[in-house]
Amino acid sequence: GAGVSQSPSNKVTEKGKDVELRCDPISGHTALYWYRQSLGQGLEFLIYFQGNSAPDKSGLPSDRFSAERTGGSVSTLTIQRTQQEDSAVYLCASSKFSSPRTTDTQYFGPGTRLTVL
Amino acid sequence: QQQVKQSPQSLIVQKGGISIINCAYENTAFDYFPWYQQFPGKGPALLIAIRPDVSEKKEGRFTISFNKSAKQFSLHIMDSQPGDSATYFCAAENAGNMLTFGGGTRLMVKP
Repeated sequence: GAGVSQSPSNKVTEKGKDVELRCDPISGHTALYWYRQSLGQGLEFLIYFQGNSAPDKSGLPSDRFSAERTGGSVSTLTIQRTQQEDSAVYLCASSKFSSPRTTDTQYFGPGTRLTVL
Repeated sequence: QQQVKQSPQSLIVQKGGISIINCAYENTAFDYFPWYQQFPGKGPALLIAIRPDVSEKKEGRFTISFNKSAKQFSLHIMDSQPGDSATYFCAAENAGNMLTFGGGTRLMVKP
């Protein structure tokens, strides 16, 4: 079946502009995550959506970052007034949400490489 | 403490050799320890994972060793191949389904 897809694959923008990054999770996956991966670095958690619950925004680095998930499926990560330090690969992952609770494998998309000039 | 520490940052191994990557954690609430493999331009993909009720898990050439008392776990890649050259991330997860990643190890297997 189809995996997690992200668009665009690459985005070059000028400092101060707003950008929107899109994630289409695997069908049936109710949990969706956004991570940021800076060059040569590990993965930094940004935000987590689970079903209709309020998202866990604890990883968002500033109020310029926001995300929404419409209809429990597609998610958009928005970065306002982009800065050069926002340049990174933004990764989306999705997973099932089992009951009773257990850990479920997160499946990652290919990422969006954002370059802020 | 949510940190997961991974070492080494980079590793060069000859073809046929054993690659060993180590991770250590602090939070005893973690109950799932996956390893992810990432090739350039791709997202990380689950390679192998272990739960703390076992000390070792083997899948083909890949083995996870887990030491609960020391709060350490490691990935061993036997008979390393050039196609194994990638970045490897350890991670730890609690029942809240939140993954905390190590900093990654860039592995190069020389032919």
